[in-house]
Amino acid sequence: AQTVTQSQPEMSVQEAETVTLSCTYDTSESDYYLFWYKQPPSRQMILVIRQEAYKQQNATENRFSVNFQKAAKSFSLKISDSQLGDAAMYFCAYRTRDDKIIFGKGTRLHILP
Amino acid sequence: DAGVTQSPTHLIKTRGQQVTLRCSPKSGHDTVSWYQQALGQGPQFIFQYYEEEERQRGNFPDRFSGHQFPNYSSELNVNALLLGDSALYLCASSFLSGETQYFGPGTRLLVL
Repeated sequence: AQTVTQSQPEMSVQEAETVTLSCTYDTSESDYYLFWYKQPPSRQMILVIRQEAYKQQNATENRFSVNFQKAAKSFSLKISDSQLGDAAMYFCAYRTRDDKIIFGKGTRLHILP
Repeated sequence: DAGVTQSPTHLIKTRGQQVTLRCSPKSGHDTVSWYQQALGQGPQFIFQYYEEEERQRGNFPDRFSGHQFPNYSSELNVNALLLGDSALYLCASSFLSGETQYFGPGTRLLVL
């Protein structure tokens, strides 16, 4: 069965600095999708970025980028120029072949002004 | 273009009661998935509906059931509520062939 592990329950970063959130996963599938979702206190789960496993190029969305290491089954999220609005729970997620999404336990990110 | 909507936003029930939660998918989406998010945890997959049929199911008891209507909206029903059913229930919609699910704001259920 697929699993997703986020080993950092909480992290803090100074405003305008860069922070990296870690995620590892386990799967026997060769083709899959990985996601980072953001959940602010409003509870809405917001898609931050997605990565297709067959693409070697790391995905980038403005200040957000990933470091996807398929062989190591690692999928970290880098947030550049951190802003106060980035404070939230961040979930790493894996989409299975049969369309279920498996989430990690999340990392709570604090932005220090 | 409205995103995924859910109702109600909050709900309080007592043990043994039954509850129905509702979800309207993002315009054009035909597939609805439901997740349970306990406090401090990541969401867990309950089930997925497509063409009014349950397509996939996670590790949840039969007390959890659902329905999808011809307009693609969906309901989640939970019978014989337990204290442990207290959680945020999230609905997500997608195209069947799409790789990304878009989430609604959730319904916070408290069972006393």
